[in-house]
Amino acid sequence: GAGVSQSPRYKVTKRGQDVALRCDPISGHVSLYWYRQALGQGPEFLTYFNYEAQQDKSGLPNDRFSAERPEGSISTLTIQRTEQRDSAMYRCASSPRPPGSYNEQFFGPGTRLTVL
Amino acid sequence: SQKIEQNSEALNIQEGKTATLTCNYTNYSPAYLQWYRQDPGRGPVFLLLIRENEKEKRKERLKVTFDTTLKQSLFHITASQPADSATYLCALENFNKFYFGSGTKLNVKP
Repeated sequence: GAGVSQSPRYKVTKRGQDVALRCDPISGHVSLYWYRQALGQGPEFLTYFNYEAQQDKSGLPNDRFSAERPEGSISTLTIQRTEQRDSAMYRCASSPRPPGSYNEQFFGPGTRLTVL
Repeated sequence: SQKIEQNSEALNIQEGKTATLTCNYTNYSPAYLQWYRQDPGRGPVFLLLIRENEKEKRKERLKVTFDTTLKQSLFHITASQPADSATYLCALENFNKFYFGSGTKLNVKP
């Protein structure tokens, strides 16, 4: 069956540009999480959704980062006025049950963002 | 601050032996803990979940223990195979957010 997909897989942008990263979760999955992963490190929490509701965005680095999931399915992570320090692998994951329900996570392949 | 520690040094073992990986945490009281496998260039893949009231969980050649007093989980792979070579991550859920360790790389040599 179809897993979590992310697009684009690779994004190269110039400093100051806005980027939008897309996540398509597994159909019917309730929870959706965004992470950033540096090389040699585990995923770092950014934000998560329960259906369309953004429940926690405390991991977003600053107000240039935002995320939405308007219909409770596809989610977009937007970074405005990108900076070189935003370069990283961005991953999303979905889970079949609401947050806090002993959820395993299914990860997408990630989007590698490079800011020049 | 909250911390999850996994051995950053790679674990090298011979095929057929048991691999044991450690995950220690501080300042958490997780209801459960998870282990994931990550291959180079790919996203983490869920392996096992163990709840705070479970001391041990098994799945095929995998075994996980969870000691909430020691604040430690051990992950065992018995009869290891070269195909088990990967990075293994532990993760805790705290107030609906997941925190991952940095992972331990396992190398199983034939």
